Amino acid sequence: QKEVEQDPGPLSVPEGAIVSLNCTYSNSAFQYFMWYRQYSRKGPELLMYTYSSGNKEDGRFTAQVDKSSKYISLFIRDSQPSDSATYLCAMTPTDKLIFGTGTRLQVFP
Amino acid sequence: SQTIHQWPATLVQPVGSPLSLECTVEGTSNPNLYWYRQAAGRGLQLLFYSVGIGQISSEVPQNLSASRPQDRQFILSSKKLLLSDSGFYLCAWSPSWPGPYEQYFGPGTRLTVT
Repeated sequence: QKEVEQDPGPLSVPEGAIVSLNCTYSNSAFQYFMWYRQYSRKGPELLMYTYSSGNKEDGRFTAQVDKSSKYISLFIRDSQPSDSATYLCAMTPTDKLIFGTGTRLQVFP
Repeated sequence: SQTIHQWPATLVQPVGSPLSLECTVEGTSNPNLYWYRQAAGRGLQLLFYSVGIGQISSEVPQNLSASRPQDRQFILSSKKLLLSDSGFYLCAWSPSWPGPYEQYFGPGTRLTVT
């Protein structure tokens, strides 16, 4: 079993939809949780990170952590074609991140 | 603000040739530094990480090596490339202790071994 599981998609949604991206994990020691966005042939870009459980909002993005279920989510409101990318979750208890394999999102006009 | 640079952006090398990829970070001091490889359609594989000058930890046995000659410079090398070394190489930095160790990535180097 992988430490971090992420559905590879692709996830295809119409413009304006609410998108839910998810990861599950097995290591209860994980404390920091991050979401990255990676456009094709580019380096990953940090979207947001949270510590322990709870929600964090940044514009159209909301990150949610449920440590009791070992489940994290990224919600994108009012999705745009420019949101089309691969989204990677990452988490760590220390200075090395464990990444999910990424979910490919396509937002069509 | 902090900036991370990688070069070259693309590279085509024959099997058996040497490799040197360079990464530099600006605007911060004593960062943690990381080298990753991303194969097509695959996740990120951590190759090396460093918490200080001359301190390198290898995550995967292979024909690659890394060095950190200066605080904000990280170099990935190989003496003889294999076909399996093809991929997208990413350098990243993070703040050092006490965390949360969020990582910031460079633009990457696309390596094709022929």
